[in-house]
Amino acid sequence: GENVEQHPSTLSVQEGDSAVIKCTYSDSASNYFPWYKQELGKRPQLIIDIRSNVGEKKDQRIAVTLNKTAKHFSLHITETQPEDSAVYFCAVPPYGNNRLAFGKGNQVVVIP
Amino acid sequence: GAVVSQHPSRVICKSGTSVKIECRSLDFQATTMFWYRQFPKQSLMLMATSNEGSKATYEQGVEKDKFLINHASLTLSTLTVTSAHPEDSSFYICSAPTSGSSYNEQFFGPGTRLTVL
Repeated sequence: GENVEQHPSTLSVQEGDSAVIKCTYSDSASNYFPWYKQELGKRPQLIIDIRSNVGEKKDQRIAVTLNKTAKHFSLHITETQPEDSAVYFCAVPPYGNNRLAFGKGNQVVVIP
Repeated sequence: GAVVSQHPSRVICKSGTSVKIECRSLDFQATTMFWYRQFPKQSLMLMATSNEGSKATYEQGVEKDKFLINHASLTLSTLTVTSAHPEDSSFYICSAPTSGSSYNEQFFGPGTRLTVL
């Protein structure tokens, strides 16, 4: 099956600094790459996604970059704020279908 | 984004009882829904794919007789945990891709916290 890995598992940043977390996947046929944010006890929320025909997408302080050749995509959060503290999951649909395989998650802690 | 609801949000039951969890798409039709289980500090693990009008597809290692899934309509899927035991205690979350989406956007329900005593 699809192998999805996230690094680092935990990331602490000072408020105002940038955070970058990376997701690698194994299936070269994958064409959709979302990032979800999950706060404790809450549902995962889709925060940004990218299709395989573009290399970068930005939405205010959040951006996602995709490197299909190397099979990885990264989440960039600029000007971090305490409310950005959460677990972030990347996901990839294996074999081009609409199921999602999730990575193990990155715990991001923004220190005020 | 699309809205998905779940009911109940929290349930505590005795060992051996069965628990039914409902997942509804509120503003769109979902021929497919997904059921996940999430243990504390772990990732979302796909349990099964719920298909309207046909049998659910279970992931490897998930007992279909233990986790009964019924996709009763285009807006409702139910997961029944039969003869629940303490090891079934977990956070159960459903999701649904929006109708017509070819890019797999999925929206999650708020989850159901199951505690089996």
